[in-house]
Amino acid sequence: QKEVEQNSGPLSVPEGAIASLNCTYSDRGSQSFFWYRQYSGKSPELIMFIYSNGDKEDGRFTAQLNKASQYVSLLIRDSQPSDSATYLCAVTDSGGGADGLTFGKGTHLIIQP
Amino acid sequence: GAGVSQSPRYKVAKRGQDVALRCDPISGHVSLFWYQQALGQGPEFLTYFQNEAQLDKSGLPSDRFFAERPEGSVSTLKIQRTQQEDSAVYLCASSPAPLAGAPRGEQFFGPGTRLTVL
Repeated sequence: QKEVEQNSGPLSVPEGAIASLNCTYSDRGSQSFFWYRQYSGKSPELIMFIYSNGDKEDGRFTAQLNKASQYVSLLIRDSQPSDSATYLCAVTDSGGGADGLTFGKGTHLIIQP
Repeated sequence: GAGVSQSPRYKVAKRGQDVALRCDPISGHVSLFWYQQALGQGPEFLTYFQNEAQLDKSGLPSDRFFAERPEGSVSTLKIQRTQQEDSAVYLCASSPAPLAGAPRGEQFFGPGTRLTVL
């Protein structure tokens, strides 16, 4: 049974600070890793994906992957109130095709103005 | 362009009724997925289609759940004899993968259908 673990929060961060979201996964065969943002009552929206160990930066977002530790993280710099949402970590063992995603329960992030 | 659309957006059913949920994927997307999201939980995978072929249905919780995509575009998720535990948001996602050059595993979600079983 594949499992993805996230702290459900809420995680409260002051506006302008760095928000750090963490995720661990159980399946060592996992190859692709995703962070989705989900606003209340809305559908998940992909914000970052990472396949290789190390860091990947996109604007204010940085995804970090450590396959040896089975650990994925998302950093949000200069946090804005609009970043307040639930962040879902998802993994798949698809190495190049399409495959169902295994999601964590999500971390509820609150950015305090 | 248009995103993934789902209908109806809300569905209330009495226990024991059959329901059908529709998904229109992004045009040209090969892969289509169904997920179930209970309140306060992450989405859980139900089933996956590549064109009209259902390649994985391991997540369907019981034989009351049935999905089809007969022409490789629109998909329908049918739930027979609904139970209260079926109450959830049903999300459909599509992906251009596994076409060459498509980002691996990137999926685009529709707005979901919120099913309430009384």
